[in-house]
Formats: sequence, structure tokens, C-alpha cells
Amino acid sequence: DAKTTQPPSMDCAEGRAANLPCNHSTISGNEYVYWYRQIHSQGPQYIIHGLKNNETNEMASLIITEDRKSSTLILPHATLRDTAVYYCIVRASFSGGGADGLTFGKGTHLIIQP
Amino acid sequence: GAVVSQHPSWVICKSGTSVKIECRSLDFQATTMFWYRQFPKQSLMLMATSNEGSKATYEQGVEKDKFLINHASLTLSTLTVTSAHPEDSSFYICSARSIAPGLAGYYEQYFGPGTRLTVT
Repeated sequence: DAKTTQPPSMDCAEGRAANLPCNHSTISGNEYVYWYRQIHSQGPQYIIHGLKNNETNEMASLIITEDRKSSTLILPHATLRDTAVYYCIVRASFSGGGADGLTFGKGTHLIIQP
Repeated sequence: GAVVSQHPSWVICKSGTSVKIECRSLDFQATTMFWYRQFPKQSLMLMATSNEGSKATYEQGVEKDKFLINHASLTLSTLTVTSAHPEDSSFYICSARSIAPGLAGYYEQYFGPGTRLTVT
């Protein structure tokens, strides 16, 4: 799986958009970008994933650059409950392929300030 | 939907005893379940992959005789920490990979809430 680089921590004001960057310059053609988050003392929660097109769901938006070497997770209106560690993971899609576990980096600790 | 439970949520045991942690997929079937371990202020580390009806696959450096994994059904996997020691104190998290693709056409992986093990 390709390696990812994320800032260790970020602050964001409540109600503002939180933009979390991730670099994955060695990503290969069949690898997707997945985002999970882990609220303190809980299991990780799936947020969103994408291949090359921008994606949006009820939780967040994912913007992937045209060269696919970086991406940004956007939480449009951050709330205090969004304070968590956010993990960007690059890997081949789960569908059909190997049943490999996920490789978690250190992630970004996002702190939403009131 | 897609809920994974773990039991117990926390456990304290004495050094030398064994502890069993259960991971259940409540509303879907999972041929594959994963076990992770997370030490304080560190990231999750994959310990082993559990496949229903077959032996688990352990990551390098994880003792298979110490961390016994059983995946007897499509909804249950158990992790037994044998002869636990204080250095085994950690947050143990399981995840389950659905047997069928979801609405988006991919096989999602769902995480349990974790089990906090403290060995005294």
C-alpha cells in the first residue's frame, strides 16, 4: 500500500469548514484513497473513499488532485463532535481483492475549537 | 445497519490469567474479521486476520500461541489473550469485512467499539 503523509494536528473553529490534507505521491493506478476517523477511545469510523473523482456523502467531501498525489477531506461545518484523529489510507479497493487489514499511519488530530 | 460489537468493552485481569474478547457482526455476515491493537498515543496496528472456518493469519511479531483467534461462524470471532502480562495492556479493536458488497459496490470494513484490557 502506498505511504501517506498527514499533518500531526490541526485546529478548526466550530461551524467552519475543516480541510484535512493528505499526501500520497506514490499512489498507484488501482489504489483508492480512504478516510477513517477515530474519536477518543472508540473504534475507527469510515468516512469516505474515492479513486480519482471528487466524492461527497452526508459526512464529508473528498477532493483528489488530478495527478492523484494528494487529497483533501472537507468537513463542511465542523462541530465539537468532529474532534478526532483522522486517518488517510491508500490501498486497493476491498472489492474482490485481498482481504487485507488496514495500515494506519499516525493521522491528523483535528481539534474543533468552540 | 453494519454494526460490529465487542464484549467486554473493558476488562481488568491479573497477570498470568487469560482473557477472551468477542467480536460480533450484528446485522451482516463476515467471512473475514481483523484484530488490531492500539497502545496509548499510538496508531492501530493489525495483529491478525481471521477467516471463518480456517486458521488465522498473524502479522509479523505477533505470537500466535499467545493471541488465540477463533472464527467459528460468519458473525463471531474471538481473541483470547493467554497468560496475560502488563505489557499486553492495550486497546483491542476488531473489524469485520462484509460478505457481500454494499450499496456502493465495494466490500466495506466495519469496526467494533474496542475493548480496553488492563493487566495488573
